[in-house]
Amino acid sequence: DAGVIQSPRHEVTEMGQEVTLRCKPISGHNSLFWYRQTMMRGLELLIYFNNNVPIDDSGMPEDRFSAKMPNASFSTLKIQPSEPRDSAVYFCASTLEGSGGELFFGEGSRLTVL
Amino acid sequence: GEDVEQSLFLSVREGDSSVINCTYTDSSSTYLYWYKQEPGAGLQLLTYIFSNMDMKQDQRLTVLLNKKDKHLSLRIADTQTGDSAIYFCAVYSSASKIIFGSGTRLSIRP
Repeated sequence: DAGVIQSPRHEVTEMGQEVTLRCKPISGHNSLFWYRQTMMRGLELLIYFNNNVPIDDSGMPEDRFSAKMPNASFSTLKIQPSEPRDSAVYFCASTLEGSGGELFFGEGSRLTVL
Repeated sequence: GEDVEQSLFLSVREGDSSVINCTYTDSSSTYLYWYKQEPGAGLQLLTYIFSNMDMKQDQRLTVLLNKKDKHLSLRIADTQTGDSAIYFCAVYSSASKIIFGSGTRLSIRP
């Protein structure tokens, strides 16, 4: 299996622009998580989906952030408009719920907002 | 809500043992994990322990769980330069999600 695939790996954009991060979970996994990692705040859970349905989005910082999972093999995290404080590494992870909870992480998308 | 706490930094001498500590608040956690993150990479599961165990050993790694105190630790014996990484404690919470600590950055001194 190819693992969790995220794109882009790196994105540099200007403040105010829309940013879309993409994730392809491992085939057969039914739970998907979006995390954000910064030096200041560590690893924060933003949102997670179970069977394509958002279960908990309490970690989404504000309305500028939105996430979708239109099908079992694809999810997006969108930031509109982006701000410099959104600069971070965004990780997607997937798991098969009930399997003991091992999360498989993608390599992350490093976002820099100038 | 659920919380997982760990210290941010640990520095040890090569060859010594490293002990990384973690405390958590959700007493109903069924699985507890240690993940490792190497530079520029995602997190990878290092080891885990069920809540009905108090110790698990896997080669150089020893996990200790004190459920009464909600304390989890990871001991790495004979620490090597390749062990330099960020180590995350995580718990599977009653809300069916995995909560991570902020990570402990382990650095190795020669």
